[in-house]
Amino acid sequence: AQSVTQLGSHVSVSEGALVLLRCNYSSSVPPYLFWYVQYPNQGLQLLLKYTTGATLVKGINGFEAEFKKSETSFHLTKPSAHMSDAAEYFCAVSKGGGSNYKLTFGKGTLLTVNP
Amino acid sequence: KAGVTQTPRYLIKTRGQQVTLSCSPISGHRSVSWYQQTPGQGLQFLFEYFSETQRNKGNFPGRFSGRQFSNSRSEMNVSTLELGDSALYLCASSLLDGRGHNEQFFGPGTRLTVL
Repeated sequence: AQSVTQLGSHVSVSEGALVLLRCNYSSSVPPYLFWYVQYPNQGLQLLLKYTTGATLVKGINGFEAEFKKSETSFHLTKPSAHMSDAAEYFCAVSKGGGSNYKLTFGKGTLLTVNP
Repeated sequence: KAGVTQTPRYLIKTRGQQVTLSCSPISGHRSVSWYQQTPGQGLQFLFEYFSETQRNKGNFPGRFSGRQFSNSRSEMNVSTLELGDSALYLCASSLLDGRGHNEQFFGPGTRLTVL
C-alpha cells in the first residue's frame, strides 16, 4: 500500500520568502510522485511530477521538488513566494508505470502568503 | 484543447435521493478517474475507467457506482444519499500514452450538498 504524509497542514510565509512544503511517502514499489495545487473553488492543477530520471524536478510557477529515495521525501520549494501562490498544495503518489493510475494524496498544506 | 469538464458544478440533494454526475475528459484521453474530496478525509480515490471498463476501485460502498461510454465520457452515480456524501467530486482524465506517464488532468469538480 502507498501513503503520503504532508508535514504541516498550514504554512505561512512572507512575500519574497522561501516556500518549503514537506512531503514524505511510503511505497513498496518505485513511485511516481506529484505535486498539485488547488485554488478556491477549483480543481487540481499539476505543478510538477517525478517519474524516472533526474531527481530534481522543475515545475510551473517557479516551483521545484527533489526526489530523495533514502529519505522517502519529495519536498516542494520555491525561492521567493508571491501573493498568487496562496493556495492548497497536495502531494500525491502512484505506482510507477503499468496500468495502475490511482493517485494517493496527502491531506494537503494550506499556504498563506503575507504581504 | 478544452480541459476536463464536469456538470453540474453545484448540486443540492436531500437524504435518500440519488444523484448522477457527469465528466467529459480531454479529447483523446481514454482513462477517467473519480475522486471525493472532503475536509475530514481529504482526497480519496473512487474508481477509474478505461475503455468502458472499471479497472481500479477505491474503498467506497456499493452506493457509489460509475460507468464510461464509448466516447470516454463518464458518469458516477450515488444512490441513497447520506449527509456524509456531501463533498467535492473531482474527475480526472489521463492520456495513457503507453509509457506509464500517468499525468492526470482534473476538472473543476461538482460540489454536492446533501441536506
